Amino acid sequence: QQPVQSPQAVILREGEDAVINCSSSKALYSVHWYRQKHGEAPIFLMILLKGGEQKGHDKISASFNEKKQQSSLYLTASQLSYSGTYFCGTEKGAGGTSYGKLTFGQGTILTVHP
Amino acid sequence: DSGVTQTPKHLITATGQRVTLRCSPRSGDLSVYWYQQSLDQGLQFLIQYYNGEERAKGNILERFSAQQFPDLHSELNLSSLELGDSALYFCASSVGLARAVTQYFGPGTRLTVL
Repeated sequence: QQPVQSPQAVILREGEDAVINCSSSKALYSVHWYRQKHGEAPIFLMILLKGGEQKGHDKISASFNEKKQQSSLYLTASQLSYSGTYFCGTEKGAGGTSYGKLTFGQGTILTVHP
Repeated sequence: DSGVTQTPKHLITATGQRVTLRCSPRSGDLSVYWYQQSLDQGLQFLIQYYNGEERAKGNILERFSAQQFPDLHSELNLSSLELGDSALYFCASSVGLARAVTQYFGPGTRLTVL
């Protein structure tokens, strides 16, 4: 099943913070975050593994709560370049051989204004 | 630039026709994934190949087929095209067949069916 992202859209001014959530009803092994500009390829941001880890990349960080099967992406001090659609892709935790198969959420549109 | 190449960039064709989309993975990557992105469906996983063998299938229609060749490039064949097949088709690649591997997306092929 498709993970659920919230909110569907966020509008920010430069310098403001935002949080995007990604929830799954299934047990997850990993959560992958991507940013996509309109009509372009999704760009990889980070992967989080089960175990409740946190990761950071510049002013973008994320966490993965294994108990809740939820990941959150934190964007701090947003810049104009952060505008785009953010997708989470989830990888199931159950056994099997379909390694790498990602199911993506519907996306969160982030708009940063000057 | 992710290192994944896709051709053609744009494709305009008529209903009932057949087209072939081509993807070359990053140097050294053995896994190739195909995704369809339409406005109402988001990013949908279609199929995965690893070193020439099909490894996982998603919501791929019977009218669609794919293969990965010995030189690791992949082709997605779409036949008996319908208006609803109009979408962005992305190819992604990763190093191996394992959990939590980064998938790098190509620039996509925009298919318009008239």
